[in-house]
Amino acid sequence: KQEVTQIPAALSVPEGENLVLNCSFTDSAIYNLQWFRQDPGKGLTSLLLIQSSQREQTSGRLNASLDKSSGRSTLYIAASQPGDSATYLCAIALSNFGNEKLTFGTGTRLTIIP
Amino acid sequence: DAGITQSPRHKVTETGTPVTLRCHQTENHRYMYWYRQDPGHGLRLIHYSYGVKDTDKGEVSDGYSVSRSKTEDFLLTLESATSSQTSVYFCAIRSDRRQETQYFGPGTRLLVL
Repeated sequence: KQEVTQIPAALSVPEGENLVLNCSFTDSAIYNLQWFRQDPGKGLTSLLLIQSSQREQTSGRLNASLDKSSGRSTLYIAASQPGDSATYLCAIALSNFGNEKLTFGTGTRLTIIP
Repeated sequence: DAGITQSPRHKVTETGTPVTLRCHQTENHRYMYWYRQDPGHGLRLIHYSYGVKDTDKGEVSDGYSVSRSKTEDFLLTLESATSSQTSVYFCAIRSDRRQETQYFGPGTRLLVL
């Protein structure tokens, strides 16, 4: 059974700093890995999707990497802003005849201090 | 934003009563999912649908049933609510394109007393 771990559970950093969020998984036979953002009381918003054949994806100040052999992914946020404060979740997709079910980590709650 | 709504957004009910949550989409996507989110557990899949009348169980399906009679609606029913089903419930949708992300609704906060 795939297990997804995110450590630390919470992180506080001063505004302007670069930071890295971590995600580890136990089974390397993944279809893709996704990073989501969740604001308090809201649903999830997709940030980046890395296919199993890819090593990284970038969107603006965000860069996500994937190392299947070590079972790790990182989400790098450059020049952090208070608006980046949210909970970040990673999720692993396993493919079964086109139905891509997700297994989620428990998330890292990020606070950017102005 | 993906056209996905959930109703009700908040509900308080008593143990033993039936509860139905509704997920409605306007995207005509094939796949629909129900998750619950609890502290310390993250999001866990309850049931999912891969087409009208086609559903299957997820990781935590006990005590829940689903139905999908139309492409746009996916209903989650708690046959007899228990306090352990107090949670935030999220619906998600996905097209049948490969490597496509899931789009999430705003969630329903359910309290079972």
